Formats: sequence, structure tokens, C-alpha cells
Amino acid sequence: EAGVTQSPTHLIKTRGQQVTLRCSPISGHTSVYWYQQALGLGLQFLLWYDEGEERNRGNFPPRFSGRQFPNYSSELNVNALELEDSALYLCASSHGTGGTEAFFGQGTRLTVV
Amino acid sequence: AQKVTQAQTEISVVEKEDVTLDCVYETRDTTYYLFWYKQPPSGELVFLIRRNSFDEQNEISGRYSWNFQKSTSSFNFTITASQVVDSAVYFCALIFYNTDKLIFGTGTRLQVFP
Repeated sequence: EAGVTQSPTHLIKTRGQQVTLRCSPISGHTSVYWYQQALGLGLQFLLWYDEGEERNRGNFPPRFSGRQFPNYSSELNVNALELEDSALYLCASSHGTGGTEAFFGQGTRLTVV
Repeated sequence: AQKVTQAQTEISVVEKEDVTLDCVYETRDTTYYLFWYKQPPSGELVFLIRRNSFDEQNEISGRYSWNFQKSTSSFNFTITASQVVDSAVYFCALIFYNTDKLIFGTGTRLQVFP
């Protein structure tokens, strides 16, 4: 069974640009989560999508947004990139809510220059 | 406050040593779940274990074991006879029922030397 897949694996963008990261969950999983792992800041919750709806978001500005498609895949969009957005962005999926284990993809390493 | 503390930032051991990674959490909720994830150099977080707040039984899986003590709000992870392949960052995490937001500790980097 395929795990969570993310694309691209690496990305370099210039400050002010926009970026879209993609995530395909494990088959049968309806919930997708996005986390940011910036150097020195640990893992921070970004967004949670379930059944196409945004269910929760972390303490991030509105320029971080996303969506979930009918096939449960998801996109994370970041507008007006700042240097501090350089991080590993991890996507995870789970088959339910309320504490079911989440399985993570390999992440997208975003570098903003 | 809802918080997970992993006080050990980095641990170095020699192969075959046993090592315990500490995790202490804070919550006022009675229903929650605790997790351990491993993050090897490749970056992907690998799920290791989930434990709910009502199940204080310790668990052993091969060389891995977990000790959950609600009285001290701790969920420690022990690797017996460590191997070089165990080298990674290990994260303890907490989630409250129906919030679906994992709260991670800052991680412990384990280096196992041959």
C-alpha cells in the first residue's frame, strides 16, 4: 500500500513569490494535516482538512492556505513568501478523527531566498 | 496549558546500550492520546505507537518499550540494545479527543555510535 506522498521534495523560491505544495493521502484516509518544521521551532500544526472542509488551523497568517479535493488529496499554498517560511513541510493523513494515528509523508523542503 | 516537554535535546550512546527518551506532558483533559514518532535523516515522520489516556499498560514491541504513567504525566520510550539504525530524532506528541491537532515536543536527537 502506498504511503503519503508529497511533491515536490525540494523547492527553492524567491521572497515574495507564491508556492503550492501537494499531498496525496493513504488510500482510504479522509483527513489530511499539514505541519511546518522550521529550524529551531519544532513541528507546528498548520492545517487540518477532512472530507473537503478545513476543520482547524494553527497560528499562521492567512497567506498560508490550502484545500482538499474530492479525492482527498490536498494542496498547501503559501503567498508572499518570506525568508522565515523556509522549512520542511510535512503532510499527514489519517482514516478518522479523534486521535487516530497519523501517517506522514516525506515532506517538502522549501527554501526561500 | 497543553504542552509536551522532551527535556533531552540530544543523547549519544554506543551500540547495544539501552536508552530511555523522556516525555512529559501537561493537560487538563481526561481524554487524550499520546504518540511517539521517529524522524530519520530522510525527514519523514514514522509512527511508532499510540496510547490513549485510559490505557496505562506498558507496551513492548521488539526492542522498543513504552512506559505510560498518568500520575507523573509521563510517556517514556526505551530502546533496548540500541543499533546504529536507531539514530534519528524522536518526537513525543499529544492529541486531544476530537481536536486532531498533534502537539509535538521539541524532539530528542538520538545518535547511536558503532
